[in-house]
Amino acid sequence: GIQVEQSPPDLILQEGANSTLRCNFSDSVNNLQWFHQNPWGQLINLFYIPSGTKQNGRLSATTVATERYSLLYISSSQTTDSGVYFCAVASGGSNYKLTFGKGTLLTVNP
Amino acid sequence: DADVTQTPRNRITKTGKRIMLECSQTKGHDRMYWYRQDPGLGLRLIYYSFDVKDINKGEISDGYSVSRQAQAKFSLSLESAIPNQTALYFCATSGGTTYNEQFFGPGTRLTVL
Repeated sequence: GIQVEQSPPDLILQEGANSTLRCNFSDSVNNLQWFHQNPWGQLINLFYIPSGTKQNGRLSATTVATERYSLLYISSSQTTDSGVYFCAVASGGSNYKLTFGKGTLLTVNP
Repeated sequence: DADVTQTPRNRITKTGKRIMLECSQTKGHDRMYWYRQDPGLGLRLIYYSFDVKDINKGEISDGYSVSRQAQAKFSLSLESAIPNQTALYFCATSGGTTYNEQFFGPGTRLTVL
């Protein structure tokens, strides 16, 4: 099956800093989502982005499908951005079967 | 109001007990999913359903069963719970405007003693 690798595994920032999270995948995808899991365990949809670039406030994401990676940018980070960020992908005819990476644990200190 | 709800939110049970986790959605989506998350890991698919009569096993279905009672309801059962089924369980739905995009419920934290 498709492999998903996220980097870095851990990231510690000061409030106000910018960051880039990366997701590499081993096959072509037709579904890619970024999620934020907050400290209470809830999964929040950030982006549905199998290709192209999207922006939502301080967050933006880019997927370069031909090179098999996606990037999540967080600008002017806030303490509420803390948590785990997951990339999940699906490929081929099974575009509903999401395979999750192991996540990036982000800690934003005040 | 939450679009995808799960009950209970937390449950502690004993080895050998039968337990059911329930999921309801008001998004009008036709597809529903059950995932589990173990500490330090991403989510893994247990079962998925495209409609009431279409239920499929996912990556880790052993020890679990499901029932799709209606388009909006999808329940997960552990017939005889064991400690390694201790995990965070998520229900998800898809089938909206971005058809494959999945939306997750708040999760059920299950502990099997």
